[in-house]
This record gives sequence, C-alpha cells and structure tokens, in this order.
Amino acid sequence: DTEVTQTPKHLVMGMTNKKSLKCEQHMGHRAMYWYKQKAKKPPELMFVYSYEKLSINESVPSRFSPECPNSSLLNLHLHALQPEDSALYLCASSQKALWDRGNNEQFFGPGTRLTVL
Amino acid sequence: AQKITQTQPGMFVQEKEAVTLDCTYDTSDPSYGLFWYKQPSSGEMIFLIYQGSYDQQNATEGRYSLNFQKARKSANLVISASQLGDSAMYFCAMREVSLAGSGYNKLIFGAGTRLAVHP
Repeated sequence: DTEVTQTPKHLVMGMTNKKSLKCEQHMGHRAMYWYKQKAKKPPELMFVYSYEKLSINESVPSRFSPECPNSSLLNLHLHALQPEDSALYLCASSQKALWDRGNNEQFFGPGTRLTVL
Repeated sequence: AQKITQTQPGMFVQEKEAVTLDCTYDTSDPSYGLFWYKQPSSGEMIFLIYQGSYDQQNATEGRYSLNFQKARKSANLVISASQLGDSAMYFCAMREVSLAGSGYNKLIFGAGTRLAVHP
C-alpha cells in the first residue's frame, strides 16, 4: 500500500467553527508532514512529525494545531480560521525525517480543499 | 539560503513529442537532493524522479529523465513521447540538508511550470 489518504476532500467552514483534517498512511513511514498550498503557488511546509513527535513548526499560527495520535495518523485541528487560510492542505509521509543521502521521497495525499467563509 | 528557480510559467507541447522543463537551484551545501513532482488539477503531488548530488549518472524513470548539470546547477526534467495525461503542473524541489542543525528533511519547491499537451 503506497497511498496517503486524506479526509475530507473538501471542507467549508466559518471563522468560528472548529474542524479537523485527517491524514493516514500504512507504509510504515515514520515521518509525516503538513503543507499549505495557495492557488497557483508551490506547497509551503507547515509541520513535520518524526516518530510521532513534532520536529518542525514553521512558525504556523496557533489556530492550526497538529496532532499525531500514532505512527499512521496525522491530524490538523482548525479553530478560528481566517478567510486567507483558504487553501489546499496536503499531507505527506516519508520513511524518515532525518536527512541522509538517500532518496527518502515524500509521498503526498490528494489534499483537502479548505474554504473559510 | 537554498533556492529553486523555474523560469517557465507555462509550456506547450504536441502529443508524442519530447519536452524539457527547466530548473536551476542555488545551494552552498555539497550534499543535496533534487526532486520533480507532478500535480494534476486534482491536487495530488505525484513523485516523478530523484537526483542526488553525488549520483554519477542522470536519473531516469520510464519516460522521465533528468538532465543534471552540476556545474551549472541545473536539473531539467525531460519528458519523452508526451501524452495528454501529462498535462499538469510540474514542481522542481530541493531537499534542504539541514535546518538550524537539526538535520530534518524539508523540501523547497520552485514556482512550478504548467505543461499543456496538445493532441
């Protein structure tokens, strides 16, 4: 199974709502990532989890709260978002997070298209 | 700081012809990795090909090959025998070797090139 799944595919929420994005992989990868991608822009890294511990937070506002309940699951909890947070949120995983010379490609999920009204 | 440049916002190619998508990079690290990803309109990022800075030969994966010119710091993607399904956004990315000494993986993406394959 070389697939990263994300739910929901689409999400529309108000600025006072609380919602969660979910990501799952069953490839035995120990690193998982959240990216944000605005329209016609490249993905931007938000968070990196390595062995279920938060390793990188790219100065993301606290209204985005990541969680890694186990090695296969990654959540992104959303609260009090702004309209400018509307974007495609991509989850990815790789064998490990620490750098080495090898490939260690990141496998991406299909993303969740988020609209904040 | 590391940087990836894709100078072609859009490219057109006739079906069955070859096309080259340009990518240049800037880094002071001797060890780095370069990736190409394809993103169809559905949104999923699909890994295509990888080139390590120490790899002696240019990477190839089926119809995809990477023209790696280390001295020029370029890693152009060549797609041979284009198909209609190749129409998508293509991103060149570089793996950042270190992050404040922590050593964690971080991909830096270029702005992307939108490829349209015409029948």
